[in-house]
Amino acid sequence: GAGVSQSPSNKVTEKGKDVELRCDPISGHTALYWYRQSLGQGLEFLIYFQGNSAPDKSGLPSDRFSAERTGGSVSTLTIQRTQQEDSAVYLCASSLFSRSGETQYFGPGTRLLVL
Amino acid sequence: AQSVAQPEDQVNVAEGNPLTVKCTYSVSGNPYLFWYVQYPNRGLQFLLKYITGDNLVKGSYGFEAEFNKSQTSFHLKKPSALVSDSALYFCAVRELQDNYGQNFVFGPGTRLSVLP
Repeated sequence: GAGVSQSPSNKVTEKGKDVELRCDPISGHTALYWYRQSLGQGLEFLIYFQGNSAPDKSGLPSDRFSAERTGGSVSTLTIQRTQQEDSAVYLCASSLFSRSGETQYFGPGTRLLVL
Repeated sequence: AQSVAQPEDQVNVAEGNPLTVKCTYSVSGNPYLFWYVQYPNRGLQFLLKYITGDNLVKGSYGFEAEFNKSQTSFHLKKPSALVSDSALYFCAVRELQDNYGQNFVFGPGTRLSVLP
């Protein structure tokens, strides 16, 4: 596609429920990244994929968070048993490769609110 | 480990005046440096990056940034600010790796307000 897309754009859920967030990267981009942006905060790195594998999961806040990527394209970020502190904007980015000089292109984000 | 600082939470400037948004970084090796802008309720948009070569980098929307290795800085500048430049600006650094690089490290962001 023309850019990185994410769905849903907004998600309201109840504490304790599971949620799935989806990211469609730019076609042909091999690297995919998930970040979290809390209100008024900077970006917090969550996880990075090169192809379908995740060499760096160091940013996942807890074992309630997981992510997968299939076919080297779409990725889903799953949050189990959501907590109110999970409320944030979840941003996905992709780049052609994962080399250091590559520009990351961001999607519009999914705004998650846990009640 | 690399880190990025944006010392100003907020920058206010009058329309037509020059603007500067400051960024300093810390890496153990050679840095790759990026600026992104985030407009309200939008994702991050890439503005410019420094990889190598000329220390003055020109980017989108008339922005430029100067890489200063001795001061470990990469300040974002624009000669004449527009009201439409009002947004949240993020500096990011990535360290040159022999292998494929990993995550970016983003600064906390600086909110720019351009007053008419």
